Amino acid sequence: GQNIDQPTEMTATEGAIVQINCTYQTSGFNGLFWYQQHAGEAPTFLSYNVLDGLEEKGRFSSFLSRSKGYSYLLLKELQMKDSASYLCAVMDSNYQLIWGAGTKLIIKP
Amino acid sequence: DVKVTQSSRYLVKRTGEKVFLECVQDMDHENMFWYRQDPGLGLRLIYFSYDVKMKEKGDIPEGYSVSREKKERFSLILESASTNQTSMYLCAGTTGMNTEAFFGQGTRLTVV
Repeated sequence: GQNIDQPTEMTATEGAIVQINCTYQTSGFNGLFWYQQHAGEAPTFLSYNVLDGLEEKGRFSSFLSRSKGYSYLLLKELQMKDSASYLCAVMDSNYQLIWGAGTKLIIKP
Repeated sequence: DVKVTQSSRYLVKRTGEKVFLECVQDMDHENMFWYRQDPGLGLRLIYFSYDVKMKEKGDIPEGYSVSREKKERFSLILESASTNQTSMYLCAGTTGMNTEAFFGQGTRLTVV
């Protein structure tokens, strides 16, 4: 079966750095997405990785290792507004998105 | 950016009612998807459509149907609502096969 694993909840301090991991087992691979979802709102796109390596976009970076079935989202200089759930999703060989359950990130002052 | 709009933010319906959830997007030749989101679970695909009149079952189609009469509109229908269909429903659109999805604001449906 297809599976996406990510931690259920993480806590970090304002101004710090946090890394949210995602491991996957899917039938084929056509890219990995990260989305941010604030409570009660729709997910919004953060990043897309299809090749190995690090993609940097401001305070957020995303890393992919296809051989290890592994990705992480790195958030720097954390702000209170970064408190949200972060969803990892993999596009399989049929171009269908397989979603993780999401990681709830709690930022403390 | 693709703009995706869902007709209702909150809905309360009675068991056995027929429920329509509407979704409209503003780009032509769009792929459209209906998901439900429940605590502790990832988004689960109900139905999707790559073209007008075209629909495909996702992972959990039972109890649902869809309609896509026009490219910009993709409707989710609960034929006879049940309490286990209480959930957050999310509509999404994409511009290509492996591009990011743009979501509507979600409809929180409660079936009583």
